[in-house]
Amino acid sequence: DIQMTQSPSSLSASVGDRVTITCRASQGIRNDLGWYQQKPGKAPKRLIVAASTLLSGVPSRFSGSGSGTEFTLTISSLQPEDFATYFCLQYNNYPPTFGGGTKVEIK
Amino acid sequence: QVQLQESGPGLVKPSETLSLTCSVSGGSMSGSHWSWIRQPPGRGLEWIGYVSYSGNVNYNPSLKSRVTMSVDTSKNQFSLKLGSVTAADTAVYYCARSATGLLFDYWGQGSLVAVSS
Repeated sequence: DIQMTQSPSSLSASVGDRVTITCRASQGIRNDLGWYQQKPGKAPKRLIVAASTLLSGVPSRFSGSGSGTEFTLTISSLQPEDFATYFCLQYNNYPPTFGGGTKVEIK
Repeated sequence: QVQLQESGPGLVKPSETLSLTCSVSGGSMSGSHWSWIRQPPGRGLEWIGYVSYSGNVNYNPSLKSRVTMSVDTSKNQFSLKLGSVTAADTAVYYCARSATGLLFDYWGQGSLVAVSS
């Protein structure tokens, strides 16, 4: 299985801060990576697919980059509604595997 | 807008079979794969497997010996059975759709299942 190592596991930030989350794959996955946002008790929501394609309706402050084994999710200016857990998914290879998640908390 | 909702017992005894159903609304089940994913407390997400509209299945090798998935297109539902459960199977179980490969686009809210006597 491809291991997805996500860091940090948690972070504290203030409204307006720039936040960066990283996922590293144990082997190359081209750009077959998605980013999700999850709030307590809610279904996960897709933000980005193909490593850098922002889905319709997702604010432009979210962006993704990377290819191969290293990927980044950036929130350019953190908003109150962005406090949540974020995780990555590799869908290049069976079985699909997930990063461990990053909890973004209010400082 | 496709919506998924998990249902089933919240408590299962060790060695018994965990059974969950996912109800799909707002769209057709055809042309998509329907997956189960779980998250044990304090741990990451694990893909369990999928069932297709036609009934084809693909399971995670780590759980394959204990998993059975099925689909009931007349009810717009699909199901998970996980046998011989232990405390390690305690988790939030999610159902999810993938219309393209294994990129999950719609998820349920999750159902907590505890394994305990």
